Amino acid sequence: DVVMTQSPLSLPVIVGQPASISCRSSHSLVNNDGNTYLSWFQQRPGQSPRRLIYRVSNRDSGVPDRFSGSGSGTDFTLKISRVEAEDVGVYYCMQGTHRWTFGQGTKVEIK
Amino acid sequence: QITLKESGPTLVKPTQTLTLTCTFSGFSLNTSGVGVGWIRQPPGKALEWLALIYWDDDKRYSPSLESRLTITKDTSKNQVVLTMTNMDPVDTATYFCAHLDWNYTWNFFDFWGQGTLLTVSS
Repeated sequence: DVVMTQSPLSLPVIVGQPASISCRSSHSLVNNDGNTYLSWFQQRPGQSPRRLIYRVSNRDSGVPDRFSGSGSGTDFTLKISRVEAEDVGVYYCMQGTHRWTFGQGTKVEIK
Repeated sequence: QITLKESGPTLVKPTQTLTLTCTFSGFSLNTSGVGVGWIRQPPGKALEWLALIYWDDDKRYSPSLESRLTITKDTSKNQVVLTMTNMDPVDTATYFCAHLDWNYTWNFFDFWGQGTLLTVSS
């Protein structure tokens, strides 16, 4: 099984400041078709997960441009350029190259 | 507009079999490249992928739960059904279904249902 490891697990941030979450995979996520199926999801309290980023760096429709994804192979990062109060929640990375596996989640809270 | 909604019991007893239904609209499982997956989330814990079914009836299961899971589809009703046998209190979770499709690349879990909370207790 592919293991996805996120860090940190808890991230207190100040509104207006940047934030960064790391996600590492136990196996390369480069698929046979040449694509890397790494996504990021946001789950606000009491809500279903919402996909923010797909294939490492592509933002979903309606996702603010303060969210960005980067990385390759086994190391990936989600960055929020300037955190807003509405960004509070838990963020998950997910790989879809070797079936599907989620990270443990990173809880973002306002300091 | 794609929507999904999960339904099923809120409470089952240990050893019983769970049946959950995902009813969707805005897409068809008769369309090439389309699929529906199930994901669960125990209270306060992380997301866990369970099973997935494709338009061509190809199926994938989580290796750790494969012996207990069966996923089927009813394209005439726009539904996907997940059954899980031998339920245990550790299976207490919110169960979600989610959409995926192929459009030159795979597009995984772009739309999710609201989830259904299941408690396993005697």
